[in-house]
Amino acid sequence: QSVLTQPPSVSAAPGQKVTISCSGSSSNIGNEYVSWYQQFSGTAPKLLIYDYNKRPSGIPDRFSGSKSGTSATLGITGLQTGDEADYYCGAWDSSLNGYVFGSGTKVTVL
Amino acid sequence: QVQLVQSGAEVKKPGASVKVSCTASGYIFTNYGITWVRQAPGQGLEWMGWISTYTGNKIYAHKVQDRITMTTDTSTSTGYMELRSLRSDDTAMYYCLRTYNRNSDYWGQGTLVTVTS
Repeated sequence: QSVLTQPPSVSAAPGQKVTISCSGSSSNIGNEYVSWYQQFSGTAPKLLIYDYNKRPSGIPDRFSGSKSGTSATLGITGLQTGDEADYYCGAWDSSLNGYVFGSGTKVTVL
Repeated sequence: QVQLVQSGAEVKKPGASVKVSCTASGYIFTNYGITWVRQAPGQGLEWMGWISTYTGNKIYAHKVQDRITMTTDTSTSTGYMELRSLRSDDTAMYYCLRTYNRNSDYWGQGTLVTVTS
């Protein structure tokens, strides 16, 4: 069972928006930065968002991150078929003294 | 360009050890730490630990801390992760990550470790 909770799946039509939630606690999301990773089937994950809402170079602004209390959210606007992948949140956990990941959310474009 | 190139797939028997390497290029090795993450088949990501390439300080996940050793060789810009007393549930893809301030921006291609009798 993951320390960070994500919905197993979300879906929307092309061009629409999806949001993925990541629920944690004060020992992780509440007081630590959150990152989001994108993983296509059979490949290594890639960093999408770090420090809650910053994008690495090359990541389009269709991807955004936010945080409220002990939860974080990844938003994807203008959904494309190429966005079909698994998405994971991650954060440092000060109680565990380790990094924790969410269970992952599969995005499906209808 | 930044690259992390990992060693090839391994097949091990239960009780054996495995040592995976991760050779970095395209940046100053000692400016970033190395994190190791694994992913069992069809499962999510599991953090295994982190090592500072500058000081050698390490933090291991509680679940594997008695069986894991992370090291680095700054002369070859290579990080190593050794896991001992392998069990079937250690079968996974193992990734190394470049890490700075708890942010991991580059991942290796992964090394599949299969534990089978």
